[in-house]
Amino acid sequence: AQSVTQLDSQVPVFEEAPVELRCNYSSSVSVYLFWYVQYPNQGLQLLLKYLSGSTLVKGINGFEAEFNKSQTSFHLRKPSVHISDTAEYFCAVTFNAGGTSYGKLTFGQGTILTVHP
Amino acid sequence: DVKVTQSSRYLVKRTGEKVFLECVQDMDHENMFWYRQDPGLGLRLIYFSYDVKMKEKGDIPEGYSVSREKKERFSLILESASTNQTSMYLCASSWDTYSYEQYFGPGTRLTVT
Repeated sequence: AQSVTQLDSQVPVFEEAPVELRCNYSSSVSVYLFWYVQYPNQGLQLLLKYLSGSTLVKGINGFEAEFNKSQTSFHLRKPSVHISDTAEYFCAVTFNAGGTSYGKLTFGQGTILTVHP
Repeated sequence: DVKVTQSSRYLVKRTGEKVFLECVQDMDHENMFWYRQDPGLGLRLIYFSYDVKMKEKGDIPEGYSVSREKKERFSLILESASTNQTSMYLCASSWDTYSYEQYFGPGTRLTVT
């Protein structure tokens, strides 16, 4: 079965500390991988995406993620967080099962990142 | 800038009412999507549309229907609202099959009492 799992529902961290938000997926087909961020009372915004090429992907606001095919993971990292990074983060996957996927996304459960001063 | 707008930010309806949630995008996108967002469950796809009058079921279509009469507008319909449909509803759009980036509206928080 195809699924996406975010391993941590909540991650508290102090300002300027590094952070890693974990995402694993299960799939027998090729995948495209995404991280979205949702600030309070807003819709989702794309942080970064992996479609092909280099497995290290850089996104907006200093975030990056690494695609690890053998581990079926796509963890999100930032070396030094700010108060303004407090938000909910979603990992999402497009499963390319043949035919046209229309870019449909399967989302993980979300991780709430809280940055404390 | 791509803009996806949803007709209401907050909506309160009674059980059994027919509810319409409207979504409009201003960038001539081919694809449009409706998701519901629940704590601890992430976003789940209800329906999507890849062209005018074309639609496909997502993962949780039961109790919902959709309409896309014009390219820029995608409506989600709750035929007979129930309390278990209390949720945040998010609309999204994307250029076409190969763009893979979805643009989201701000969401409608629906409460069914």
